[in-house]
Amino acid sequence: GNSVTQMEGPVTLSEEAFLTINCTYTATGYPSLFWYVQYPGEGLQLLLKATKADDKGSNKGFEATYRKETTSFHLEKGSVQVSDSAVYFCALSGNTGKLIFGQGTTLQVKP
Amino acid sequence: EAGVAQSPRYKIIEKRQSVAFWCNPISGHATLYWYQQILGQGPKLLIQFQNNGVVDDSQLPKDRFSAERLKGVDSTLKIQPAKLEDSAVYLCASKGRAYEQYFGPGTRLTVT
Repeated sequence: GNSVTQMEGPVTLSEEAFLTINCTYTATGYPSLFWYVQYPGEGLQLLLKATKADDKGSNKGFEATYRKETTSFHLEKGSVQVSDSAVYFCALSGNTGKLIFGQGTTLQVKP
Repeated sequence: EAGVAQSPRYKIIEKRQSVAFWCNPISGHATLYWYQQILGQGPKLLIQFQNNGVVDDSQLPKDRFSAERLKGVDSTLKIQPAKLEDSAVYLCASKGRAYEQYFGPGTRLTVT
């Protein structure tokens, strides 16, 4: 069945460092791919999405490219801020819209 | 536009008791989802409704969990009787015609 695997955390970075959080998926057909973010004490929010191969999703300085050949959707940001500290979830959805999530990666950014 | 509303925000019960959670989706959203998020894991779908019909309940433990969406608007998720392993955050989400699912703040359930 469909599944999502994320790199294990926590990831601890200094402010202005480069961020990569790896995400790979297994799916039949052509899923849509998402990154969701959960800030402390808040609900899940959509960060970015890509709906077909080679699409690049971007938002708030974060980017991820849908790579069908490597079944990956890695999240990147060139310069992280303390306010980016959160839990990041990679997810995919198929035809029904049901989301399948990875286990989440905790990012902590230190000043 | 108002977001997805859930209540209560927190609930503590003893094992073998029953509990119910309520969700009001964004107005006009036909699709409603209930997810279970155990600490340290990603959310897992329990049930999906399209209007008032069930689309997917394959992961719902039907011996103790039930859900309904009468009139195709708000929804209730019930657990009876609760077990210790049901301690989790229960998330409701709704979706309109676009791809994005909008999540509510969740209900944190602790079973003691």
